[in-house]
Amino acid sequence: NAGVTQTPKFQVLKTGQSMTLQCAQDMNHNSMYWYRQDPGMGLRLIYYSASEGTTDKGEVPNGYNVSRLNKREFSLRLESAAPSQTSVYFCASSALSGSGYTFGSGTRLTVV
Amino acid sequence: DQQVKQNSPSLSVQEGRISILNCDYTNSMFDYFLWYKKYPAEGPTFLISISSIKDKNEDGRFTVFLNKSAKHLSLHIVPSQPGDSAVYFCAASRSASSGSARQLTFGSGTQLTVLP
Repeated sequence: NAGVTQTPKFQVLKTGQSMTLQCAQDMNHNSMYWYRQDPGMGLRLIYYSASEGTTDKGEVPNGYNVSRLNKREFSLRLESAAPSQTSVYFCASSALSGSGYTFGSGTRLTVV
Repeated sequence: DQQVKQNSPSLSVQEGRISILNCDYTNSMFDYFLWYKKYPAEGPTFLISISSIKDKNEDGRFTVFLNKSAKHLSLHIVPSQPGDSAVYFCAASRSASSGSARQLTFGSGTQLTVLP
């Protein structure tokens, strides 16, 4: 089925470890996004990529880096994980008009 | 500063009755509004949207109302069904410059429970 695929679904990291969250979409969308969801905070934008070759910071970019590998793939990297980065991470994609996003099923990350 | 606010963290409604979920926004530049539904362990899924040039949009049991002067929108679900039990997120966006992407700003969500 067409959609947005995120890997892994679950991850536990120790403080200071690094990891990359992977995201791929097969809907030929230009734009891709990374959000984090925390209790009582809704979804907050970390980084986004309007189109292949571009990336921009969102509301909460500190501690993260991204790579738009090609039109399909957009990865999120934590270089040195901190307990404050414990969250559920969602990747999404949209047409450039952005009239609606399609979300992946999320990655639940715990940093201990 | 939260630009999109959902002040009710939870709402319980009897099956068959109307569910009304509310959302307020502060940024007058927002011109497109959406509602997403989220089940546990799944990503949010698009439910319904409305442009700022309209004040109502209907899709089956779901209707979204927009009051621009009050910077308020609401989602009505009639009749409510147990399968509607989920977290509902309100989101808003503004026009983006050419070549850029529309960013969605989300509210904190409302947990709707429809009681059988």
